[in-house]
Amino acid sequence: SQQGEEDPQALSIQEGENATMNCSYKTSINNLQWYRQNSGRGLVHLILIRSNEREKHSGRLRVTLDTSKKSSSLLITASRAADTASYFCATDFKAAGNKLTFGGGTRVLVKP
Amino acid sequence: ETGVTQSPTHLIKTRGQQVTLRCSSQSGHNTVSWYQQALGQGPQFIFQYYREEENGRGNFPPRFSGLQFPNYSSELNVNALELDDSALYLCASSLGSGPTGGANVLTFGAGSRLTVL
Repeated sequence: SQQGEEDPQALSIQEGENATMNCSYKTSINNLQWYRQNSGRGLVHLILIRSNEREKHSGRLRVTLDTSKKSSSLLITASRAADTASYFCATDFKAAGNKLTFGGGTRVLVKP
Repeated sequence: ETGVTQSPTHLIKTRGQQVTLRCSSQSGHNTVSWYQQALGQGPQFIFQYYREEENGRGNFPPRFSGLQFPNYSSELNVNALELDDSALYLCASSLGSGPTGGANVLTFGAGSRLTVL
């Protein structure tokens, strides 16, 4: 499968703690994106990182990309109960044109 | 600026029936992608339309078909429904540059939840 795969599948933390999740993929990409999904609803775009970038920040989010290891990580700092959601990485494989392929997601529970 | 709207939000069908799901893309977007998301899994790419032409298809049988209209809204049709078709169907629009362009940020609708009995 060319999908990105997230790790861990599930994560439970206390409010205020940091949450880190990882994404691995198999073939060369144009870019990698992270999305959030609340309770089986539509996905919301969080951040896009291009293959020539190594790190990006957006508010409390920090994304890294290591193309040599074919992996990315998403860090949520100072988590809040509202961060409870599923987080998906999506890859734009060069061989697949301009279609995004999603991984299985990490389910994050932030306990108040 | 309106977002992506999908209809219906929920529907129940029986095996063998046909279903049509509808999607209105975000204003200014010219590309629509459809995804199927089974419970507890990630979205699976069904197909994408760019300026009314199919622009890529995932590993789904021909009974999954679609259309994109001149206003860039779209339909997903599924014939001969099977129990495994029960899922959340997500539509996402984007401003694309065609078959040779890279993937852009997707704006998702809230989805249509299909239950096949």
